[in-house]
Amino acid sequence: AQKITQTQPGMFVQEKEAVTLDCTYDTSDQSYGLFWYKQPSSGEMIFLIYQGSYDEQNATEGRYSLNFQKARKSANLVISASQLGDSAMYFCAMRENPNFGNEKLTFGTGTRLTIIP
Amino acid sequence: ETGVTQTPRHLVMGMTNKKSLKCEQHLGHNAMYWYKQSAKKPLELMFVYNFKEQTENNSVPSRFSPECPNSSHLFLHLHTLQPEDSALYLCASSPRGGSYNEQFFGPGTRLTVL
Repeated sequence: AQKITQTQPGMFVQEKEAVTLDCTYDTSDQSYGLFWYKQPSSGEMIFLIYQGSYDEQNATEGRYSLNFQKARKSANLVISASQLGDSAMYFCAMRENPNFGNEKLTFGTGTRLTIIP
Repeated sequence: ETGVTQTPRHLVMGMTNKKSLKCEQHLGHNAMYWYKQSAKKPLELMFVYNFKEQTENNSVPSRFSPECPNSSHLFLHLHTLQPEDSALYLCASSPRGGSYNEQFFGPGTRLTVL
């Protein structure tokens, strides 16, 4: 079974609208972390936001917020007031039980977001 | 220079060539990573180094040989590659391994194997 599932291969959103990118995850660990990265056409992966499994509040970073529903194992990214520069690939990733020597960050297949002017 | 840099940005090589990818981080981090990003596949972790020691090898073929001479530099030596090895190779760093710190990525090297 896939650890990280992103079911939306592509999305088109009107500029200034809010957009939700879906991410569900699969783990049996109690301690884990969830990340969202943005990858523009230049290739660089840009860290956006992080949510810990024990965090009681949803993470927020500027226009980005993470809708964390632990019981449903979902960690959707919400971008408010979308801008043309938000057009990119977006990846959800998970880090399970980060013991020294267990470094793996597992990524989903990504969602390509296109903002329409 | 700041952040994570990678050279070259683009590389075309034949199957019999030997080449190296270079990654340098200017963030004072102690963990460095190599990832492979192929078209329509999730990002795949290849190698992890913590304090210059390799702590993870994700079943990578021996035609890929990593080297980490110090905490700031990471190399990926390539030899006798196959066309299916064509991909974007991303380097990343984080303050240390075994933590929830986010990883900071470089811009990647786009590799084409003919």
